[in-house]
Amino acid sequence: IVLTQSPGTLSLSPGERATLSCRASQSVSSRYLAWYQQKRGQAPRLLIYGASTRATGIPDRFSGSGSETDFTLTITRLEPEDFAVYYCQQFGNSRLTFGGGTKVEI
Amino acid sequence: VQLVESGGGVVQPGRSLRLSCEVSGFSFSGYALHWVRQAPGGGLEWVALISYDGTTTNYADSVKGRFTISRDNSKDTLFLDMNSLTSEDTAVYFCARAGPLLSPTAADYWGQGTLVTVSS
Repeated sequence: IVLTQSPGTLSLSPGERATLSCRASQSVSSRYLAWYQQKRGQAPRLLIYGASTRATGIPDRFSGSGSETDFTLTITRLEPEDFAVYYCQQFGNSRLTFGGGTKVEI
Repeated sequence: VQLVESGGGVVQPGRSLRLSCEVSGFSFSGYALHWVRQAPGGGLEWVALISYDGTTTNYADSVKGRFTISRDNSKDTLFLDMNSLTSEDTAVYFCARAGPLLSPTAADYWGQGTLVTVSS
């Protein structure tokens, strides 16, 4: 399964809403879809798992939705610390597959 | 929860390297673990997964037959043995706990990574 994220880069201002897309080449179980945030020089951080469940400590301005082949990560009211690269990920055939990432920049 | 990788460095093509990941803050023997890598300026690429007891392993096609994931539950340590290295293996290697909820379907805690550079 190939995950395609769009757009590649999203240019927004603090306080705006970000909508990130992740499209799968074939249907993915919602249970197996996750989103990560990665800042420069840091390890990825799990944001969302099961397509819509926030991981521990993740603010509620982050939300995930979608099913089958189309998934979305939404960040309402961007904070300065939210400018980063975001990856979607699916689990199948006992392996993880990541999308190419979306960079959210100011 | 803390995961700390070590063992990275510069290695010549065709040579071998062993990475380690020391874990603390959770019951190591109860969790599956992943290795994930990231080439310079690139995205995330999953490398390997090992079950909580080490009996089941899975590999990305790009490393199958060259890399071996293993663990020592008595020492709370995960390993990645890398053989026949090529320049395409140059990356930061992260170890990550499979989770949440003991599920291997994502990775809920990550180490800071160790850089492997394959170059002559």
